[in-house]
Amino acid sequence: QKEVEQNSGPLSVPEGAIASLNCTYSDRVSQSFFWYRQYSGKSPELIMSIYSNGDKEDGRFTAQLNKASQYVSLLIRDSQPSDSATYLCAVKGHMGAGKSTFGDGTTLTVKP
Amino acid sequence: KAGVTQTPRYLIKTRGQQVTLSCSPISGHRSVSWYQQTPGQGLQFLFEYFSETQRNKGNFPGRFSGRQFSNSRSEMNVSTLELGDSALYLCASSTGTLHETQYFGPGTRLLVL
Repeated sequence: QKEVEQNSGPLSVPEGAIASLNCTYSDRVSQSFFWYRQYSGKSPELIMSIYSNGDKEDGRFTAQLNKASQYVSLLIRDSQPSDSATYLCAVKGHMGAGKSTFGDGTTLTVKP
Repeated sequence: KAGVTQTPRYLIKTRGQQVTLSCSPISGHRSVSWYQQTPGQGLQFLFEYFSETQRNKGNFPGRFSGRQFSNSRSEMNVSTLELGDSALYLCASSTGTLHETQYFGPGTRLLVL
C-alpha cells in the first residue's frame, strides 16, 4: 500500500463545474497536509494547506480533512481551463518537518 | 522576497559521470529538502538539510549526497550517474517547522545518456 494515494484520474470536468480531488494516507500520525498544483514542465506550487479536521476555504478552493478516516480532499469550484494541471497531495508526519510524502497526482482537465 | 533558485536548469551527462546541483533557499529559510521527480516514481524525497546538518534521509543509494552551507544554500551531488538518474530534481525550502509549507524551486532537469 502506498503511503499517500490519490484518485487515479485523469479527471475531466466542464468549465464552471466542481472538481473533486481525493487523497488518503496510511500514517496515522501525519500532521500536515498540502495540495500542490503542477503545470506540465513546471515545479509544484502550493494551493492549500490544512492541519485540523474540517474544511478550509480559500477563494474557489476548499480543502477538507478527516483524520479519523485518514482522508483529505480538495474541491475546486467554478473550474476554469487554467485549473488544468496535475494536483499533488502531500503529507508531513512523524518523519519530520522537512520531508513531505507525495501522492502520484491527479491530472485535471477543465474543458471550455 | 526572492523565491527558491536552482542552478543549472538543464544538464546533460553521460553514464559514470558525476553532477552537482545547487539550490538557494528563500531568505530566512533554514531547511532545504531535495526531491527527485520521474514519470514512473513521482516525487521521491531524497534528503533534508537544516542548519547545515542532514536531518532526514530518503531511500536512495549512497551515490546521492548533499550538503548545506552556513548561508543555507545547498548542493546535491550524484556520483557514477546511471541512466535511471534522469529526472527533474527539485529543491524545496521552508522555515523547518512541521506545519510550514515547502516552497519549490524551478528544478534542474538532468538527462543521463
